[in-house]
Amino acid sequence: DSGVTQTPKHLITATGQRVTLRCSPRSGDLSVYWYQQSLDQGLQFLIHYYNGEERAKGNILERFSAQQFPDLHSELNLSSLELGDSALYFCASSPRGTSNTEAFFGQGTRLTVV
Amino acid sequence: QKEVEQDPGPLSVPEGAIVSLNCTYSNSAFQYFMWYRQYSRKGPELLMYTYSSGNKEDGRFTAQVDKSSKYISLFIRDSQPSDSATYLCAIAPGPSNFGNEKLTFGTGTRLTIIP
Repeated sequence: DSGVTQTPKHLITATGQRVTLRCSPRSGDLSVYWYQQSLDQGLQFLIHYYNGEERAKGNILERFSAQQFPDLHSELNLSSLELGDSALYFCASSPRGTSNTEAFFGQGTRLTVV
Repeated sequence: QKEVEQDPGPLSVPEGAIVSLNCTYSNSAFQYFMWYRQYSRKGPELLMYTYSSGNKEDGRFTAQVDKSSKYISLFIRDSQPSDSATYLCAIAPGPSNFGNEKLTFGTGTRLTIIP
């Protein structure tokens, strides 16, 4: 168990809908990263938050947004869903305050858009 | 050119064999090198973590980094069926890039250890 909790584990929704994925980082970790994993693209970095502030953006679509709350949990919002958004979405957290990138991953949320 | 290249395999070896997994990367600014193991339908699990060039050993696993050739390797000795998984290499920039510590992953190599 990595200590990173993601909910829900599975999500099935229709095209055009909006969903929210939730991540609770390891105790004490201030950094949260979101990744998308699909069969043909591998693990793709979406966005990084550190202590509530957005630090870096990767290949994140405009339909997607994220935030990190004062209690450090994070949410990834996906809207106007398309079939191609079906993927595994992972959250990872890493130790605070440094460039130590020893990131620990949650078990992921499997999103299926039908 | 991708920042990290990794042979996707699949790779099948008999139990007890030595496994060699490799990645190449393109940007010499990367200084942190990691190997993750991912079982089917699970999150990636950190196996090894190294900073700069050299070798690091942990049990049956050895991570090797050659920064001059931008080449990283993971060796698994006495491979076991439980080692069957996808192995992903990951790289990250150095301390001067605080605030931009995102990991860049290889596509992963699917490994099967045959009993």
